Amino acid sequence: GAVVSQHPSWVICKSGTSVKIECRSLDFQATTMFWYRQFPKQSLMLMATSNEGSKATYEQGVEKDKFLINHASLTLSTLTVTSAHPEDSSFYICSARDLGSEYSNQPQHFGDGTRLSIL
Amino acid sequence: DAKTTQPTSMDCAEGRAANLPCNHSTISGNEYVYWYRQIHSQGPQYIIHGLKNNETNEMASLIITEDRKSSTLILPHATLRDTAVYYCIVRVQGGSEKLVFGKGMKLTVNP
Repeated sequence: GAVVSQHPSWVICKSGTSVKIECRSLDFQATTMFWYRQFPKQSLMLMATSNEGSKATYEQGVEKDKFLINHASLTLSTLTVTSAHPEDSSFYICSARDLGSEYSNQPQHFGDGTRLSIL
Repeated sequence: DAKTTQPTSMDCAEGRAANLPCNHSTISGNEYVYWYRQIHSQGPQYIIHGLKNNETNEMASLIITEDRKSSTLILPHATLRDTAVYYCIVRVQGGSEKLVFGKGMKLTVNP
C-alpha cells in the first residue's frame, strides 16, 4: 500500500516551454502533498506544500508564478514549471501521507521522481 | 536546517550487519526520528521511524538511546541493493508535516 506515482519519469524540452508533472496517490487519499527538487549530488529541497482545495504554500526563495501547483483532488497534485530554462533542469519529487492514517506520525511516501532536462 | 548529523559515508561487507549512526542532540520530546533512503535516481524510500522505544520491521531495526540524543539504524544482513544514501530526519508529531532532508550518509555495500 501507500504508493505514490509520478508522471512523466523524465522529460526533455526546449527552453521557454512549460512542463507539467503529475503526482498521484494510487491507493490512498492525501489532503497535503509535497514537492521537492534535487540537484545533482545534493539533498532534497522542499519547494512547496500542496493543499487540496486551497493555495499551495511555497518555501522561501521559490517563485510561485514559475512553479504553479494545483491540487484539485485528494489523489492528484500537479506541478507546472512555466517558461522553463536550463537552470530549472533538476530532479523533481513529490510525496504524500495517507489521510486515513490514524496517527499523524505516519510516514510520507515518495514518488520515483521526474527528471527534467531543459535544452 | 537539518537537525541531525550523520557521517558522510560508510562501507559495509555484504551479508554483515550495517549500523548507521545519527546524532540528534537537540531533539524535542515530541519529535520522532524517521529514516529514509534514496537509491540513485529514485525517490526516497521510507524505512522506519520511532519516538523513544526501539523499533523493528521487515527492513531494519531502529535503536534510540535512552536520552534520545542519538539513534542507530541497523540493517541486519546488508545486500548490494542496500547501497544508497540514508537520511535520518526528526519531525514533530502533529506539527508541520515538512521533512527537512540533510545531506544524509552514503552507505556502500561491498561484495
